Amino acid sequence: QSVLTQPPSVSAAPGQKVTISCSGSSSNIEGNYVSWYQQIPGTAPKLLIYENNKRPSGIPDRFSGSKSGTSATLGITGLQTGDEADYHCETYDTTLNVRVFGGGTKLTVL
Amino acid sequence: EVQLLESGGGLVQPGGSLRLSCVASGFTLSSTAMSWVRHAPGKGLEWVSAISASGTNTYYVDSVRGRFTISRDNSENTVWLQMDSLRAEDTAIYYCAKEYSAWSFDYWGPGVLVSVFS
Repeated sequence: QSVLTQPPSVSAAPGQKVTISCSGSSSNIEGNYVSWYQQIPGTAPKLLIYENNKRPSGIPDRFSGSKSGTSATLGITGLQTGDEADYHCETYDTTLNVRVFGGGTKLTVL
Repeated sequence: EVQLLESGGGLVQPGGSLRLSCVASGFTLSSTAMSWVRHAPGKGLEWVSAISASGTNTYYVDSVRGRFTISRDNSENTVWLQMDSLRAEDTAIYYCAKEYSAWSFDYWGPGVLVSVFS
Protein backbone atom coordinates (compact mmCIF):
# COMPACT_ATOMS: atom_id res chain seq x y z
CA GLN A 1 0.00 0.00 0.00
CA SER A 2 1.61 3.24 -1.18
CA VAL A 3 1.58 6.38 0.96
CA LEU A 4 0.52 8.41 -2.07
CA THR A 5 -2.63 7.33 -3.90
CA GLN A 6 -2.88 7.37 -7.68
CA PRO A 7 -5.59 5.89 -9.91
CA PRO A 8 -4.38 2.54 -11.31
CA SER A 9 -5.22 3.53 -14.88
CA VAL A 10 -6.50 6.36 -17.07
CA SER A 11 -7.21 6.49 -20.77
CA ALA A 12 -7.98 9.04 -23.45
CA ALA A 13 -7.91 9.40 -27.21
CA PRO A 14 -5.02 10.85 -29.22
CA GLY A 15 -5.06 14.64 -29.18
CA GLN A 16 -7.13 14.80 -26.00
CA LYS A 17 -6.13 15.89 -22.51
CA VAL A 18 -5.76 13.72 -19.43
CA THR A 19 -5.07 14.41 -15.79
CA ILE A 20 -3.54 12.05 -13.24
CA SER A 21 -4.08 12.69 -9.55
CA CYS A 22 -1.79 12.00 -6.61
CA SER A 23 -3.42 12.16 -3.20
CA GLY A 24 -1.46 12.40 0.02
CA SER A 25 -1.65 14.12 3.39
CA SER A 26 -0.42 17.03 5.47
CA SER A 27 2.78 15.11 6.24
CA ASN A 28 3.83 14.71 2.64
CA ILE A 29 2.32 16.54 -0.33
CA GLU A 30 0.98 19.53 1.59
CA GLY A 31 4.36 20.57 2.93
CA ASN A 32 6.78 19.36 0.29
CA TYR A 33 7.53 19.61 -3.41
CA VAL A 34 6.07 16.99 -5.74
CA SER A 35 7.79 15.39 -8.72
CA TRP A 36 6.37 13.33 -11.58
CA TYR A 37 8.04 10.61 -13.64
CA GLN A 38 7.17 8.81 -16.86
CA GLN A 39 8.18 5.16 -17.11
CA ILE A 40 7.81 3.26 -20.35
CA PRO A 41 7.72 -0.47 -19.51
CA GLY A 42 11.17 -1.99 -19.47
CA THR A 43 12.94 1.36 -19.11
CA ALA A 44 14.01 3.63 -16.28
CA PRO A 45 11.78 6.45 -14.98
CA LYS A 46 12.17 9.85 -16.63
CA LEU A 47 11.70 13.12 -14.76
CA LEU A 48 8.79 15.14 -16.16
CA ILE A 49 7.97 17.65 -13.41
CA TYR A 50 9.86 18.83 -10.35
CA GLU A 51 9.06 21.34 -7.61
CA ASN A 52 5.33 20.86 -8.30
CA ASN A 53 5.19 22.54 -11.70
CA LYS A 54 8.65 22.97 -13.25
CA ARG A 55 9.76 21.09 -16.34
CA PRO A 56 13.37 19.97 -16.89
CA SER A 57 15.03 20.98 -20.12
CA GLY A 58 13.68 18.94 -23.03
CA ILE A 59 10.27 18.18 -21.55
CA PRO A 60 7.54 19.64 -23.79
CA ASP A 61 4.98 22.04 -22.37
CA ARG A 62 2.25 19.47 -23.07
CA PHE A 63 3.19 18.21 -19.62
CA SER A 64 2.19 20.31 -16.61
CA GLY A 65 2.03 19.90 -12.86
CA SER A 66 0.04 21.52 -10.10
CA LYS A 67 -0.52 21.12 -6.39
CA SER A 68 -3.29 22.12 -4.04
CA GLY A 69 -3.35 21.18 -0.38
CA THR A 70 -2.76 17.46 0.00
CA SER A 71 -3.11 16.59 -3.69
CA ALA A 72 -1.08 17.03 -6.84
CA THR A 73 -2.04 16.65 -10.49
CA LEU A 74 -0.16 15.86 -13.67
CA GLY A 75 -1.74 17.12 -16.88
CA ILE A 76 -0.93 15.96 -20.38
CA THR A 77 -2.41 17.70 -23.42
CA GLY A 78 -2.30 16.74 -27.09
CA LEU A 79 -1.98 13.06 -26.21
CA GLN A 80 0.25 10.94 -28.45
CA THR A 81 0.61 7.18 -28.65
CA GLY A 82 4.16 7.64 -27.40
CA ASP A 83 2.76 8.96 -24.12
CA GLU A 84 1.55 5.47 -23.20
CA ALA A 85 3.48 4.68 -20.05
CA ASP A 86 3.27 4.43 -16.28
CA TYR A 87 3.33 7.73 -14.38
CA HIS A 88 4.58 8.07 -10.82
CA CYS A 89 4.37 10.93 -8.31
CA GLU A 90 6.96 11.46 -5.59
CA THR A 91 7.50 13.64 -2.56
CA TYR A 92 8.92 13.50 0.95
CA ASP A 93 7.02 12.43 4.04
CA THR A 94 8.05 14.38 7.12
CA THR A 95 6.43 11.92 9.54
CA LEU A 96 7.95 8.79 8.05
CA ASN A 97 11.20 10.63 7.17
CA VAL A 98 11.41 8.94 3.80
CA ARG A 99 10.84 9.78 0.17
CA VAL A 100 7.54 8.30 -0.96
CA PHE A 101 6.07 7.38 -4.32
CA GLY A 102 2.57 6.77 -5.55
CA GLY A 103 1.54 3.35 -6.79
CA GLY A 104 1.78 4.48 -10.39
CA THR A 105 -0.87 5.15 -13.06
CA LYS A 106 -0.96 3.38 -16.40
CA LEU A 107 -1.91 5.72 -19.22
CA THR A 108 -3.52 4.20 -22.29
CA VAL A 109 -3.91 6.31 -25.42
CA LEU A 110 -6.81 4.70 -27.23
CA GLU B 1 26.09 13.07 -21.48
CA VAL B 2 25.09 11.92 -18.02
CA GLN B 3 25.07 8.16 -17.64
CA LEU B 4 24.49 5.82 -14.72
CA LEU B 5 25.11 2.11 -15.11
CA GLU B 6 24.24 -0.47 -12.49
CA SER B 7 25.69 -3.95 -12.17
CA GLY B 8 25.90 -6.76 -9.65
CA GLY B 9 22.34 -8.02 -9.66
CA GLY B 10 21.36 -11.65 -9.91
CA LEU B 11 19.66 -14.62 -8.30
CA VAL B 12 20.32 -15.32 -4.64
CA GLN B 13 18.79 -17.45 -1.92
CA PRO B 14 17.17 -15.91 1.17
CA GLY B 15 19.83 -14.89 3.64
CA GLY B 16 22.35 -14.32 0.89
CA SER B 17 24.22 -11.19 -0.15
CA LEU B 18 24.75 -9.09 -3.24
CA ARG B 19 26.69 -5.92 -3.93
CA LEU B 20 25.28 -3.52 -6.48
CA SER B 21 27.52 -1.00 -8.22
CA CYS B 22 26.57 2.21 -10.00
CA VAL B 23 29.19 3.81 -12.22
CA ALA B 24 28.53 7.45 -13.06
CA SER B 25 29.83 9.50 -15.96
CA GLY B 26 29.14 12.85 -17.60
CA PHE B 27 28.89 14.85 -14.38
CA THR B 28 30.84 15.52 -11.19
CA LEU B 29 29.73 12.77 -8.83
CA SER B 30 31.20 14.54 -5.80
CA SER B 31 28.70 17.38 -6.25
CA THR B 32 25.51 15.43 -5.77
CA ALA B 33 23.72 13.07 -3.45
CA MET B 34 22.76 9.70 -4.89
CA SER B 35 20.02 7.18 -4.13
CA TRP B 36 18.93 3.65 -4.83
CA VAL B 37 15.27 3.13 -5.73
CA ARG B 38 13.62 -0.23 -6.34
CA HIS B 39 10.58 -1.41 -8.26
CA ALA B 40 9.09 -4.71 -7.19
CA PRO B 41 6.74 -6.62 -9.50
CA GLY B 42 3.22 -5.21 -9.35
CA LYS B 43 4.14 -2.47 -6.89
CA GLY B 44 5.06 1.20 -6.96
CA LEU B 45 8.55 2.61 -6.86
CA GLU B 46 10.21 2.51 -3.44
CA TRP B 47 13.10 4.67 -2.30
CA VAL B 48 15.66 2.42 -0.57
CA SER B 49 18.72 4.41 0.43
CA ALA B 50 20.58 7.67 -0.12
CA ILE B 51 24.08 9.00 0.45
CA SER B 52 25.20 12.60 0.68
CA ALA B 53 27.63 14.08 -1.83
CA SER B 54 30.63 13.63 0.44
CA GLY B 55 29.47 10.25 1.74
CA THR B 56 29.26 11.51 5.30
CA ASN B 57 25.51 10.97 5.69
CA THR B 58 23.53 7.89 4.75
CA TYR B 59 19.80 7.20 4.89
CA TYR B 60 17.69 4.05 4.65
CA VAL B 61 14.07 2.99 4.50
CA ASP B 62 13.18 1.08 7.66
CA SER B 63 12.72 -2.25 5.86
CA VAL B 64 16.40 -2.41 4.84
CA ARG B 65 18.11 -0.56 7.69
CA GLY B 66 20.70 -2.83 9.31
CA ARG B 67 20.79 -5.13 6.27
CA PHE B 68 21.81 -2.78 3.42
CA THR B 69 24.79 -0.42 3.35
CA ILE B 70 25.26 2.40 0.87
CA SER B 71 28.71 3.80 0.13
CA ARG B 72 30.54 5.77 -2.52
CA ASP B 73 34.00 6.56 -3.88
CA ASN B 74 33.88 9.83 -5.77
CA SER B 75 37.39 9.27 -7.15
CA GLU B 76 36.11 6.07 -8.79
CA ASN B 77 32.79 7.65 -9.80
CA THR B 78 31.00 4.75 -8.15
CA VAL B 79 28.20 4.24 -5.66
CA TRP B 80 27.56 0.84 -4.08
CA LEU B 81 24.71 -0.88 -2.29
CA GLN B 82 25.78 -3.83 -0.16
CA MET B 83 22.74 -6.01 0.45
CA ASP B 84 22.96 -8.65 3.19
CA SER B 85 20.39 -10.97 4.75
CA LEU B 86 18.30 -10.75 1.62
CA ARG B 87 14.62 -11.63 1.77
CA ALA B 88 12.08 -12.60 -0.86
CA GLU B 89 10.48 -9.17 -0.50
CA ASP B 90 13.73 -7.55 -1.67
CA THR B 91 13.11 -8.95 -5.14
CA ALA B 92 12.93 -5.98 -7.50
CA ILE B 93 14.65 -3.99 -10.17
CA TYR B 94 17.11 -1.66 -8.44
CA TYR B 95 17.85 1.74 -9.93
CA CYS B 96 20.66 4.13 -9.16
CA ALA B 97 19.38 7.71 -9.29
CA LYS B 98 20.99 11.16 -9.27
CA GLU B 99 19.54 13.77 -6.96
CA TYR B 100 18.29 16.92 -8.70
CA SER B 101 16.07 19.44 -6.99
CA ALA B 102 14.05 18.95 -3.83
CA TRP B 103 12.70 15.40 -3.85
CA SER B 104 13.41 14.66 -7.49
CA PHE B 105 15.86 12.59 -9.51
CA ASP B 106 16.93 13.84 -12.92
CA TYR B 107 18.85 10.80 -14.11
CA TRP B 108 18.33 7.10 -13.52
CA GLY B 109 20.32 4.07 -14.56
CA PRO B 110 18.68 1.32 -16.64
CA GLY B 111 18.28 -0.81 -13.52
CA VAL B 112 19.50 -4.20 -12.39
CA LEU B 113 17.38 -7.17 -11.37
CA VAL B 114 17.73 -8.70 -7.93
CA SER B 115 15.79 -11.92 -7.43
CA VAL B 116 15.68 -13.61 -4.03
CA PHE B 117 14.20 -17.08 -4.15
CA SER B 118 14.34 -20.33 -2.26
